[in-house]
Formats: sequence, structure tokens, C-alpha cells
Amino acid sequence: EAGVVQSPRYKIIEKKQPVAFWCNPISGHNTLYWYLQNLGQGPELLIRYENEEAVDDSQLPKDRFSAERLKGVDSTLKIQPAELGDSAVYLCASSFRGVSDTQYFGPGTRLTVL
Amino acid sequence: EDQVTQSPEALRLQEGESSSLNCSYTVSGLRGLFWYRQDPGKGPEFLFTLYSAGEEKEKERLKATLTKKESFLHITAPKPEDSATYLCAVSARNSGNTPLVFGKGTRLSVIA
Repeated sequence: EAGVVQSPRYKIIEKKQPVAFWCNPISGHNTLYWYLQNLGQGPELLIRYENEEAVDDSQLPKDRFSAERLKGVDSTLKIQPAELGDSAVYLCASSFRGVSDTQYFGPGTRLTVL
Repeated sequence: EDQVTQSPEALRLQEGESSSLNCSYTVSGLRGLFWYRQDPGKGPEFLFTLYSAGEEKEKERLKATLTKKESFLHITAPKPEDSATYLCAVSARNSGNTPLVFGKGTRLSVIA
């Protein structure tokens, strides 16, 4: 069974440029999460989707970050414009049916903003 | 506020030298405690879920245990391939907004 797929794996951009990350969850998983992980820290939740509905986006900086999960399968996270402090690893995870189920993570996208 | 504290931050072991990693947590009603392994440049890999005090789970050289305030990840006779960062996370029963709260992890290095 394929795991969570993310692309790109690495991205280097200059500040003020836009950037987008893509995630395809494990087949059949209804819940999708985007996390931010800074060096030496644990992942921190940005947004959680139940199917196509964003049910928790309280930690998403909405002035520059946006996300979508059209059709309730794959998802895109966008930053526009990027700032130096956005340099981090962006992780996508999925679970079968909500927060009570185990979350499985993708490999992450390492973003460097110059 | 739900909190997770892991110790030590870093641990260096000789191959075969058994030890334990600690995860102390504060949560308003534990739904589950999760252990993940994270290798450099990769996403966290699921290891165990523990649900109630007294529960234990094992996988190869790893054994996870749970009390009402903390969890331990015991590593028996570690090998160099066990080197990684081990993350602990909790999910609160009444928290619909923050499914998992992670600790900062313990960086384990096993030297041959």
C-alpha cells in the first residue's frame, strides 16, 4: 500500500515569492493534516481536513497561507508571499477516520526562503 | 493546555547499551499517546499507540510503557540502525481542535 505522497521534496525560493506544496494521502483516508516542523521541534498542526471540509485551521496564518482539498482527496498548501521565517519542513499526514485514528506522515517538503 | 516534555534531548549509547527515553505529559483526558521515529530528512514513522495506564507494546528492540503521567520507550541492546529522533505525542479526549500535541523529541545516537 502506498504511503502519503508529497511533492516537491525540496524547494528554495526568494522571499516574497509564492510557493505551493502538494499532498496525496493514503487511499481511503478521510482525514488529512498539514503540519509545520522547525528544526529541533516537533510537528505543529496548521490545518486539518475531514474529507473536503477544513475543520481546524486555527493555527494557519491566514494572511499568507491558504489550503484546499478539492474532492476530498489530495490537498495543496500555498504560501503567498513567503517570508524568511517560513523556512521549515511542511509535513502532510492522513488518518482513516478522524483524530482517534493513527496518523501516517509523508516525507515532507523542506522549504528554504532566501 | 496539553503539554508534552521529552527527556533527554539527546542520548548517545554504545551498541548493546540498553536505556530508556521519557515522555511526560499533561492532558485533559488522554485519548492516546503515540510514539514516532523520525530519520533525518524523512517524515515521522509510526511506532506505537498506548491508550491506558499499565499498557505495554513491543516491537523488535523497542518497548513502550504508559503511566498516568508519563511514557517510557525502552530500547534493549540497541544497534546503530536505531539512531533517529523519537517523538512522543498525545491526543486529548476532549480536544477536537488539536488532535496531536508533539514533544520536541529525543535524538538517539547508537555508536558501534
